[in-house]
Amino acid sequence: NAGVTQTPKFRILKIGQSMTLQCTQDMNHNYMYWYRQDPGMGLKLIYYSVGAGITDKGEVPNGYNVSRSTTEDFPLRLELAAPSQTSVYFCASSRTEYEQYFGPGTRLTVT
Amino acid sequence: QKEVEQDPGPLSVPEGAIVSLNCTYSNSAFQYFMWYRQYSRKGPELLMYTYSSGNKEDGRFTAQVDKSSKYISLFIRDSQPSDSATYLCAIRSGTSYGKLTFGQGTILTVHP
Repeated sequence: NAGVTQTPKFRILKIGQSMTLQCTQDMNHNYMYWYRQDPGMGLKLIYYSVGAGITDKGEVPNGYNVSRSTTEDFPLRLELAAPSQTSVYFCASSRTEYEQYFGPGTRLTVT
Repeated sequence: QKEVEQDPGPLSVPEGAIVSLNCTYSNSAFQYFMWYRQYSRKGPELLMYTYSSGNKEDGRFTAQVDKSSKYISLFIRDSQPSDSATYLCAIRSGTSYGKLTFGQGTILTVHP
């Protein structure tokens, strides 16, 4: 039981490039989330999903897109990367209303 | 005004000290209160949760909620170097299933 896995662990992008951050969970959770964490700023919700085929915007969705074709996978797409998207990205999943299980994170630098 | 405010610290204490971590919130609709612990370069993990005013204990950890003051606290007794981490409070309303609002996090260092 791997929990929530994220790939890649690290990535450096040039301004204007695109990439997809992968997230997979093996706990059969319906709810999945993408957060970004900037130093001293806590976690900000980017997008979330309540089940396969259903996604919705969080607090900071601009510049990102998501899809949820299966229960297990919830990829996050960055289009036209900007320096403001330099951050640590966490994927999480949950079954209950209070306990979210987080992946190890992806450290992204846009230069 | 931010929905959740947390003193970012950093906080440095000697081993064995009692640690108090605090958050305030502005929305009285918030009903569920959680504390997550995040070790360096790791994802957060749930430490404790509660949904009522009062105290909840789990070993050396006590979560306290005062809904009338919109104030939540986490106390750590007999702190250990292994408690060194960032502690994040997280709160959600009764209607926004799973959507948590996080505080900024408090960096705690317990030195031997």
